[in-house]
Amino acid sequence: QSALTQPRSVSGSPGQSVTISCTGTSSDVGGYNYVSWYQQHPGKAPKLMIYDVSKRPSGVPDRFSGSKSGNTASLTISGLQAEDEADYYCCSYAGSYTRVFGGGTKLTVL
Amino acid sequence: EVQLVQSGAEVKKPGESLKISCKGSGYSFTTYWIGWVRQMPGKGLEWMGIIYPGDSDTRYSPSFQGQVTISADKSISTAYLQWSSLKASDTAMYYCVRAWGIVGSRADYWGQGTLVTVSS
Repeated sequence: QSALTQPRSVSGSPGQSVTISCTGTSSDVGGYNYVSWYQQHPGKAPKLMIYDVSKRPSGVPDRFSGSKSGNTASLTISGLQAEDEADYYCCSYAGSYTRVFGGGTKLTVL
Repeated sequence: EVQLVQSGAEVKKPGESLKISCKGSGYSFTTYWIGWVRQMPGKGLEWMGIIYPGDSDTRYSPSFQGQVTISADKSISTAYLQWSSLKASDTAMYYCVRAWGIVGSRADYWGQGTLVTVSS
């Protein structure tokens, strides 16, 4: 089981939109609609932002959205804010009752 | 309020055993799964395994099978992660997380993390 592939870093200016990709295989991302995204600020526990590809938990701003096409999932953050600067991780169900995370993407708000 | 509260930081020597805990409150502990996630220093998240406290059904990620043991005591709403013989490479932050199913992606409430340091 290999980690999902994410860009190491992305950046954007306040108010802009950024998209973070998460590429897997047909055995994980492509095979199930079970992709989630987590935000992690330094020294803090991860926070669920998106689950089941595109669903937002209560309390998560609608600036955060998720999608999937084939073996690649994406997280889009619109109207970037300074507080969005953090590490973002995707996670997919990978069959056999296990899950696999992406390597993480550092988002910098310029 | 849903909370997962983990035990405190540990400093151990190689070869020692360790059991860390994750206590749930504010929800029905036996009707959700508890997952464990490793984060090595400066690195990303890794899924270790998951347990259903209702009947202790446990599944491990292949990378962690045989390396750790996940258990739970539903009478005290607590899940555990244990090692029988620690290695320096076990040095990491460990998180527990509430999951809505063994199949799925919704893992919503996280513990604060337990830092395990293994050093001679």
